[in-house]
Amino acid sequence: EPEVTQTPSHQVTQMGQEVILRCVPISNHLYFYWYRQILGQKVEFLVSFYNNEISEKSEIFDDQFSVERPDGSNFTLKIRSTKLEDSAMYFCASSEGSLDYEQYFGPGTRLTVT
Amino acid sequence: GENVEQHPSTLSVQEGDSAVIKCTYSDSASNYFPWYKQELGKGPQLIIDIRSNVGEKKDQRIAVTLNKTAKHFSLHITETQPEDSAVYFCAASRGYSSASKIIFGSGTRLSIRP
Repeated sequence: EPEVTQTPSHQVTQMGQEVILRCVPISNHLYFYWYRQILGQKVEFLVSFYNNEISEKSEIFDDQFSVERPDGSNFTLKIRSTKLEDSAMYFCASSEGSLDYEQYFGPGTRLTVT
Repeated sequence: GENVEQHPSTLSVQEGDSAVIKCTYSDSASNYFPWYKQELGKGPQLIIDIRSNVGEKKDQRIAVTLNKTAKHFSLHITETQPEDSAVYFCAASRGYSSASKIIFGSGTRLSIRP
């Protein structure tokens, strides 16, 4: 069964450094998402992406964040200057489009900012 | 703003008994309600979903009900088994386009006692 994959599984970085989290969505999917989950809290929407554009973004997704689809398979989330409060699990998701609302989630990247 | 409330936060049931998790949502435009199961170290996995034109949906031991008037929806798991132990999230989405964000509840940690 096709699945969303994410790398790395765990990223440790120092405050102020840039990080790039990578995702490979399911191959025929057209819509891509990033969510995050701070330890012990609910999963929060960050951004949705379609047709090489951001469709929607949350208040969390400020100027420090950016997304990109650099090629036909990868979808990345960049945090320009990490803060301690960016420590969380980051989940990538994708959906097929048309009338299929279902979003398929990857296993997540645990980001630890020290 | 858009919000999904979920209760209880923890639930322990005897193996073989039923488990019920309840949620309410605030956004009247929500029309898609997925339920996710999250096991340790993994991303959310869709287990069942329901759309607003349906009041109830069942899939083997899992059933969901939706009351759009009251903005309530719930998950019922019957004949619980040890492998049902996980964190369960309810969620709501407008779903009118496939780029619609999913708003998650705070999660219920379900434990099945042998």
